[in-house]
Amino acid sequence: AQSVTQPDARVTVSEGASLQLRCKYSYSGTPYLFWYVQYPRQGLQLLLKYYSGDPVVQGVNGFEAEFSKSNSSFHLRKASVHWSDSAVYFCVLRLTGNTGKLIFGLGTTLQVQP
Amino acid sequence: DAGVTQTPRHEVAEKGQTIILKCEPVSGHNDLFWYRQTKIQGLELLSYFRSKSLMEDGGAFKDRFKAEMLNSSFSTLKIQPTEPKDSAVYLCASSNSQNTLYFGAGTRLSVL
Repeated sequence: AQSVTQPDARVTVSEGASLQLRCKYSYSGTPYLFWYVQYPRQGLQLLLKYYSGDPVVQGVNGFEAEFSKSNSSFHLRKASVHWSDSAVYFCVLRLTGNTGKLIFGLGTTLQVQP
Repeated sequence: DAGVTQTPRHEVAEKGQTIILKCEPVSGHNDLFWYRQTKIQGLELLSYFRSKSLMEDGGAFKDRFKAEMLNSSFSTLKIQPTEPKDSAVYLCASSNSQNTLYFGAGTRLSVL
């Protein structure tokens, strides 16, 4: 069965530190992968997406993610976090051949300490 | 371009009431989704429309939840009758042909 796992429910880092949020997926087909961010009392906003090609994709606000087919992973990274990055981050898998099927991870809450 | 617009932002209902949530997708998007978001369950699909046709609904939600797409620029989600366990944030999203979802800010529903 298809699934998305974000193993860390909560991550706390200091401002200026580097960040990695983990995402593992399970899917036998070719995945479309996304990272979304949700700020308090707002909807989800797209950070970046991967369809094919270069496994490292750049997103907004200095975020990037690396796709690994061998590890079935799509980890999100940022070199230096800011307090305003505090939010909930969702990894999302969209299945090919069935554009209605989206699989959401449960999210990782990021807290950036000043 | 305007994003996805959801109204109202907050709704308080008594148990047994009927409530209607509204969504205006991004202009030109053919796909529209309704999700329910709770801390425990995360995001759960309620309905998926493509070009106004219902493509998929969340099986567990069929009996009291009904989404409609009246035209390509407006959708409603009716919950009838409401129950306290329906308290959650309801998110509407639309998508273009490139599969990227654009979400509204959501409606926070509280059922007393």
